[in-house]
Amino acid sequence: GQQVMQIPQYQHVQEGEDFTTYCNSSTTLSNIQWYKQRPGGHPVFLIQLVKSGEVKKQKRLTFQFGEAKKNSSLHITATQTTDVGTYFCARNNAGNMLTFGGGTRLMVKP
Amino acid sequence: ETGVTQSPTHLIKTRGQQVTLRCSSQSGHNTVSWYQQALGQGPQFIFQYYREEENGRGNFPPRFSGLQFPNYSSELNVNALELDDSALYLCASSFDPVGGYPFGSGTRLTVV
Repeated sequence: GQQVMQIPQYQHVQEGEDFTTYCNSSTTLSNIQWYKQRPGGHPVFLIQLVKSGEVKKQKRLTFQFGEAKKNSSLHITATQTTDVGTYFCARNNAGNMLTFGGGTRLMVKP
Repeated sequence: ETGVTQSPTHLIKTRGQQVTLRCSSQSGHNTVSWYQQALGQGPQFIFQYYREEENGRGNFPPRFSGLQFPNYSSELNVNALELDDSALYLCASSFDPVGGYPFGSGTRLTVV
């Protein structure tokens, strides 16, 4: 099916360390969206990537879309305790009908 | 704020019962989607409504049904509740099905 796989499932980091989560698809993605969900909260839209090889930055967050449009990554530089949560990638099948990955749960030790 | 409001926030139902969840969107948001998020998993697409008609459906049985109203509010109905229906139900709306999605804060349904 048109699934997206995310790795790792969990990540513990010390505050100040970097963090990366990866999203992979067996089929070409028209675009990919990233969301953050805090514990007990709801998904919050972070960004949408559309172009092959696209790189976008939001402060300490760097998002990349692979050249083949089959993978994407989210990198956080110098994590903070406010970064705690689960990060989801989601493929946009058509008209914002999203297929979410399983998420990467980030835990940050102060 | 996302401009997407869901009610109720929490709900407990008994197996076999029926439930209606509600979503209120910003004026002009003619597209609404519903998702089910089981504990520890990513959200799963249930269906989408565009201008009051079902526009797409995920792998959910017919006992999951929905409505979208002219005032941009929406309902998710689930009949014959099963224990596995216990989850966080999320709605997301936008003006036309493009771009990123503002989600509501969800309704946590527990089926006992």
